[in-house]
Amino acid sequence: DGGITQSPKYLFRKEGQNVTLSCEQNLNHDAMYWYRQDPGQGLRLIYYSQIVNDFQKGDIAEGYSVSREKKESFPLTVTSAQKNPTAFYLCASSMTSGGAVFETQYFGPGTRLLVL
Amino acid sequence: AQSVTQLGSHVSVSEGALVLLRCNYSSSVPPYLFWYVQYPNQGLQLLLKYTSAATLVKGINGFEAEFKKSETSFHLTKPSAHMSDAAEYFCAVRTGNNRKLIWGLGTSLAVNP
Repeated sequence: DGGITQSPKYLFRKEGQNVTLSCEQNLNHDAMYWYRQDPGQGLRLIYYSQIVNDFQKGDIAEGYSVSREKKESFPLTVTSAQKNPTAFYLCASSMTSGGAVFETQYFGPGTRLLVL
Repeated sequence: AQSVTQLGSHVSVSEGALVLLRCNYSSSVPPYLFWYVQYPNQGLQLLLKYTSAATLVKGINGFEAEFKKSETSFHLTKPSAHMSDAAEYFCAVRTGNNRKLIWGLGTSLAVNP
């Protein structure tokens, strides 16, 4: 079955530690996205990538980093510079043919990051 | 600037009652509008989307939404609520050829027996 997988489901971070969240898709989508979700704040865009080896900062990129070495994969690293990382992280992807306005973003199941 | 407002962060209905979740947008160009649903501790699932083909859009699980340009609204409705409809609902807008979606803050729907 085609879809988006995120791992792990739960992740615990210690002070000063970098952690990496995995996002893999087998939908053959070109664009991938990372969102952060906090209660009552909706979804906020962290980074997005339209093609391999290219990515752009979203609205809250500070303290995060990404890479896009393969079309299928878009891992997110939460660095020690992110002082309030506790949140639910969602990865999404979309197909870029036909123009951006018609694209639908499809979401993975999410990773909940907690600070020890 | 584009924006999305979802009126009512929490809505409670009885099972079998009408569901109405409100979404208003602000955009200077024709918008493309989306409704997503999120069940607890899960990702978001597309319910329906408006892309200018028809103003009344039917989606999954019996939901539909009507685009009203004069009211800048895209409210989500379902004639009869089911217990399984209890979830968080998000409205989002995209304008122009821009990959970024602008999201509302969400409305939590509770369905009472």
